[in-house]
Amino acid sequence: DAKTTQPTSMDCAEGRAANLPCNHSTISGNEYVYWYRQIHSQGPQYIIHGLKNNETNEMASLIITEDRKSSTLILPHATLRDTAVYYCIVRGMYSGGGADGLTFGKGTHLIIQP
Amino acid sequence: AAGVIQSPRHLIKEKRETATLKCYPIPRHDTVYWYQQGPGQDPQFLISFYEKMQSDKGSIPDRFSAQQFSDYHSELNMSSLELGDSALYFCASMGGHVAFFGQGTRLTVV
Repeated sequence: DAKTTQPTSMDCAEGRAANLPCNHSTISGNEYVYWYRQIHSQGPQYIIHGLKNNETNEMASLIITEDRKSSTLILPHATLRDTAVYYCIVRGMYSGGGADGLTFGKGTHLIIQP
Repeated sequence: AAGVIQSPRHLIKEKRETATLKCYPIPRHDTVYWYQQGPGQDPQFLISFYEKMQSDKGSIPDRFSAQQFSDYHSELNMSSLELGDSALYFCASMGGHVAFFGQGTRLTVV
């Protein structure tokens, strides 16, 4: 069963902020939200993750709603190289170490327009 | 910084042959994941190892097996190859909360 729901595709103009939504209404308390992206046939690239607080790094920002049922990945100034499939994934962490496998859903194909 | 290394990058095999894919995790990472990605498909989780023990199992066919060795590298063994096994195979390693992926092995079965 899919744990996340994302739009199939989105367009964004180069230089603008790209906001990618993700619904994860069945997320449980010990599950993190992760974002990866995959540029054609390359290995998936880690972007950011969070539990309940908003997070920011050099690539993006992650906004998680207070009820944790949805989140938004923000690419602040999209470039053509950001064209990729973006995956929102929820995953639990084992208390003794290790974690569930990352389960990739359908993802959002983000197309940055010049 | 060291990344996840996969070898070979490309492999061509005939039907019914066997193949072995190798994955060298980032140093000090104790968890390895294997994924299969068919043409136009999303990556599908196959199997994972934590501290050299199998920790989770996904949609891995019975013809496939994998293990993680004492130096934490992992190998995916595939036997009786079928045309449908043609895909990209990714390995990822994790040492904390984040898994990092290698560039994959493209397996073509002819």
